[in-house]
Amino acid sequence: GAGVSQSPSNKVTEKGKDVELRCDPISGHTALYWYRQSLGQGLEFLIYFQGNSAPDKSGLPSDRFSAERTGGSVSTLTIQRTQQEDSAVYLCASSFPGTRAYEQYFGPGTRLTVT
Amino acid sequence: DQQVKQNSPSLSVQEGRISILNCDYTNSMFDYFLWYKKYPAEGPTFLISISSIKDKNEDGRFTVFLNKSAKHLSLHIVPSQPGDSAVYFCAARGSNYKLTFGKGTLLTVNP
Repeated sequence: GAGVSQSPSNKVTEKGKDVELRCDPISGHTALYWYRQSLGQGLEFLIYFQGNSAPDKSGLPSDRFSAERTGGSVSTLTIQRTQQEDSAVYLCASSFPGTRAYEQYFGPGTRLTVT
Repeated sequence: DQQVKQNSPSLSVQEGRISILNCDYTNSMFDYFLWYKKYPAEGPTFLISISSIKDKNEDGRFTVFLNKSAKHLSLHIVPSQPGDSAVYFCAARGSNYKLTFGKGTLLTVNP
């Protein structure tokens, strides 16, 4: 398909383990974003990649969270030493460059449950 | 502090009637406002947007109104259809390109 894809769709992990979440953006989209949605909350910005520029990491909640984007395409969000409060749906989005860069296209999300 | 607020967690309307979803914001530097629609187990999908220099944008059954002086925007859906039942998120873009989202309003359109 031509949309944003994310894997896995669901992840259950034990407290203290590391997890990796993957995002494949739409081809041609130079901007990539990670958000998370905790129960009953809106979407919380985590990190933003734009082309080859340094990422905007201002939304990462702690140093246990990190993300990389390889080759300007696929991105991986890593959470180390997971805690129960990390349980949420993690959403990835991408957008075109230029004048319509504000329209973000979202993937289906990864539901992370930390037990 | 919540910069984008959707004060109604839910809204129920009859099919064929108008649905009005509201959103308030506090940051006067936001330059674009967007509405996203989300079905369960899916990611949000872009619905309609408006630039801060406009006061209205219309796309089919969907119209977004922006009142900058009141820092308020609304989404009107006319006529409402059962397939419109979803969670609607208001979002605003700041100068650093990231979107700030409200907590969402669950719209239920009853047949």
